[in-house]
Amino acid sequence: DVKVTQSSRYLVKRTGEKVFLECVQDMDHENMFWYRQDPGLGLRLIYFSYDVKMKEKGDIPEGYSVSREKKERFSLILESASTNQTSMYLCASSFSHSGNNEQFFGPGTRLTVL
Amino acid sequence: AQSVTQPDIHITVSEGASLELRCNYSYGATPYLFWYVQSPGQGLQLLLKYFSGDTLVQGIKGFEAEFKRSQSSFNLRKPSVHWSDAAEYFCAVGGRGGADGLTFGKGTHLIIQP
Repeated sequence: DVKVTQSSRYLVKRTGEKVFLECVQDMDHENMFWYRQDPGLGLRLIYFSYDVKMKEKGDIPEGYSVSREKKERFSLILESASTNQTSMYLCASSFSHSGNNEQFFGPGTRLTVL
Repeated sequence: AQSVTQPDIHITVSEGASLELRCNYSYGATPYLFWYVQSPGQGLQLLLKYFSGDTLVQGIKGFEAEFKRSQSSFNLRKPSVHWSDAAEYFCAVGGRGGADGLTFGKGTHLIIQP
């Protein structure tokens, strides 16, 4: 089975802190994604990566950055956390070849910024 | 731009009754379509997907969905719901490329009445 793991299920940080959310997948997927999920808004794509050291902005990249130094690991970074970044963060991964872009999701990290 | 509309924010169904969750999409080419389910506190799990071929697709947990190109719809159905089906359901659309992100609807919250 594909497994996508996220470093924390729950995280509480203070405004202005630098926050790292880690995601690891074990299926040798080329693509990895970070979404945030908010009530009534569904999932919104923050950033994605289709290869090591490659990254692309999604729909809401402001206030976030990412890092992909190894194929299996994709990190989301909040340089200076703000209260409006309190949310559920979901990581996903998928194969790159055409015809199969099913995404596999991790369990999520619920981040609270005080 | 691609988009997904799930017109029902909440749906309440009695246990044992049939279920239909609506999904309409906007996409410029032949879409890849997905339904995911999210149980409380969990990540997203794929229920089923449509890539091509038979427009009626079968998924896990007794769910099925029908792709109707003329109506730009991909409604999810189940003939008899169980209390364990209570969850959030998301419809998503994507393109052929594996690196393409998915666009999600805002979700439908399913409540099961005993």
